[in-house]
Amino acid sequence: AQKITQTQPGMFVQEKEAVTLDCTYDTSDPSYGLFWYKQPSSGEMIFLIYQGSYDQQNATEGRYSLNFQKARKSANLVISASQLGDSAMYFCAMRSLTSGSARQLTFGSGTQLTVLP
Amino acid sequence: EPEVTQTPSHQVTQMGQEVILRCVPISNHLYFYWYRQILGQKVEFLVSFYNNEISEKSEIFDDQFSVERPDGSNFTLKIRSTKLEDSAMYFCASSLRPQGTEAFFGQGTRLTVV
Repeated sequence: AQKITQTQPGMFVQEKEAVTLDCTYDTSDPSYGLFWYKQPSSGEMIFLIYQGSYDQQNATEGRYSLNFQKARKSANLVISASQLGDSAMYFCAMRSLTSGSARQLTFGSGTQLTVLP
Repeated sequence: EPEVTQTPSHQVTQMGQEVILRCVPISNHLYFYWYRQILGQKVEFLVSFYNNEISEKSEIFDDQFSVERPDGSNFTLKIRSTKLEDSAMYFCASSLRPQGTEAFFGQGTRLTVV
């Protein structure tokens, strides 16, 4: 079974500063992928970034980077130079990449990020 | 940019009625999913679909639920007799590979059962 834990129900950050959203996971799969999604108040789920468990380098995508620490089973999202439009709920999710395993995403409970002007 | 499209965006239905939620996945994707999110809670997996059959389903996906790909483009979720607790945001998602590096979600259908 897979489990995602997001311990920060809410976070505040000043505009233009960086913020780290925490995510820890638990899985017995040797191979897995980690995802971050953004959910604005309008409700849609926007894919942000992906990290494979065997990737040597941390994933980056524009202002988003994923601080992947495999030994600690953490996959924190770092948003640099926060913008007001970054205010949203952020979900961490994972999926097994082991052949024959279930393919669905398992989500954490989310972190509500508010960017202050 | 290709996207997953869901209709309707909002649906209000009376308890006991049947509802059909529609999704048009990205055209070259092969794996399709439904998730739901009860207000204020985490996103939960319902069902995955590949090659015209269900691949996986969760315990939430009971006999009241069914999925279908009636033609080459649509992917539907039917709830036969809605209950109050079915009120949620329902998301359709698709991916090209079963364990792909991306899973694209639609904008969701907000279902309210009254």
